[in-house]
Amino acid sequence: KAGVTQTPRYLIKTRGQQVTLSCSPISGHRSVSWYQQTPGQGLQFLFEYFSETQRNKGNFPGRFSGRQFSNSRSEMNVSTLELGDSALYLCASSGQGALTQYFGPGTRLLVL
Amino acid sequence: QKEVEQNSGPLSVPEGAIASLNCTYSDRVSQSFFWYRQYSGKSPELIMSIYSNGDKEDGRFTAQLNKASQYVSLLIRDSQPSDSATYLCAVNRGNFGNEKLTFGTGTRLTIIP
Repeated sequence: KAGVTQTPRYLIKTRGQQVTLSCSPISGHRSVSWYQQTPGQGLQFLFEYFSETQRNKGNFPGRFSGRQFSNSRSEMNVSTLELGDSALYLCASSGQGALTQYFGPGTRLLVL
Repeated sequence: QKEVEQNSGPLSVPEGAIASLNCTYSDRVSQSFFWYRQYSGKSPELIMSIYSNGDKEDGRFTAQLNKASQYVSLLIRDSQPSDSATYLCAVNRGNFGNEKLTFGTGTRLTIIP
């Protein structure tokens, strides 16, 4: 079974721009979670989607948003980028009724 | 108090020895516990999951859970240089519909040949 895939893998943006990241879960997985990883804060939960609905949300500003499509693929969007948004953005998927999350390779975002 | 606490290390262990990694958590309703391994520049990779008190073994890895003490640990036997990585402890409430994982900051493990 193919793992979680994320695109793009690397991204460079400037302050004020917006960015959209994409995640395709493991086939059959309907839950997709997004995390931000930075050296200072570690891994922090952004939000989780299941069947196109956001079920859980972390403590991030409204500039961070996401959505999920009917095929379970998910996107997250960050508007009005700030320098502090530079991070590794990780997507993880889990199967229905399963709590184990499997991570994709991540998208490394650099904001200049 | 952080929700999930780990000693950041670095923890240095000779090759062939047992590496012991510890994690404490503050949310008493936590039910599911996970250990992930993360190599530098890579994403976290699941090593072990544990849900019940006691020990769970998988190859060279043993996870130990003590819910009364709110403590979970990971033992790595016969440590190999390839085990050198950051180990992340993750916790969630364990109920379907609440998939949020709360992570510790990780323990950096170095296996010395």
